[in-house]
Amino acid sequence: QSVLTQPPSVSAAPGQKVTISCSGSSSNIENNYVSWYQQLPGTAPKLLIYDNNKRPSGIPDRFSGSKSGTSATLGITGLQTGDEADYYCGTWDSSLSAVVFGGGTKLTVL
Amino acid sequence: EVQLVESGGGLVQPGRSLRLSCAASGFTFGDYGMNWFRQAPGKGLEWIGLIRSKTYGGTTDYAASVKGRFTISRDDSKSIAFLQMNSLKTEDTAVYYCVRPGYNWLPEGYFDHWGQGVLVTVSS
Repeated sequence: QSVLTQPPSVSAAPGQKVTISCSGSSSNIENNYVSWYQQLPGTAPKLLIYDNNKRPSGIPDRFSGSKSGTSATLGITGLQTGDEADYYCGTWDSSLSAVVFGGGTKLTVL
Repeated sequence: EVQLVESGGGLVQPGRSLRLSCAASGFTFGDYGMNWFRQAPGKGLEWIGLIRSKTYGGTTDYAASVKGRFTISRDDSKSIAFLQMNSLKTEDTAVYYCVRPGYNWLPEGYFDHWGQGVLVTVSS
């Protein structure tokens, strides 16, 4: 059971928009920065969003992040088949003194 | 270019030990804390622990699932991080990743560089 809760799967058509939620608590998301990662099959995770809503260089602006209270959201617009992957949210949990991640969300681009 | 290369994985029997290494290059290794993550087959990402840079005391934090069995250390002179795994269990079977944080002063912040991963299989 992951400390952060993500939907197991989401799907949308090419060109459409999708959002992935990440729910936590006051000991993690509410009081710490959230980051998001994309993991393509058979590869290491890749940073998509850090500090709630910042994109590393090279990440297209189709990817966005936001946070409100104890929840965070990853948004992806203009979906492409190459976006099919597992997406994870992560943050620090001050009570556990541990990095915590969501269980991951599998994105299918229909 | 930042590179992290894990080694030392393989097949090991339950109860035995294994040490993973992470060779780093492309950045000043001693300035950064380092993390280890793992991913069991078909499962999500799990943080194992971190070691801070010497500037921040070189202290460690661990996930509850491995505390007391796993130890993270570092050799800044060789730019290598280690993960010593003792009393291995079948549920420790996973791909293990060495990971560098984005901020050198916040090892538990976000993670911008990941190694390719190394497979550890615990089985009799």
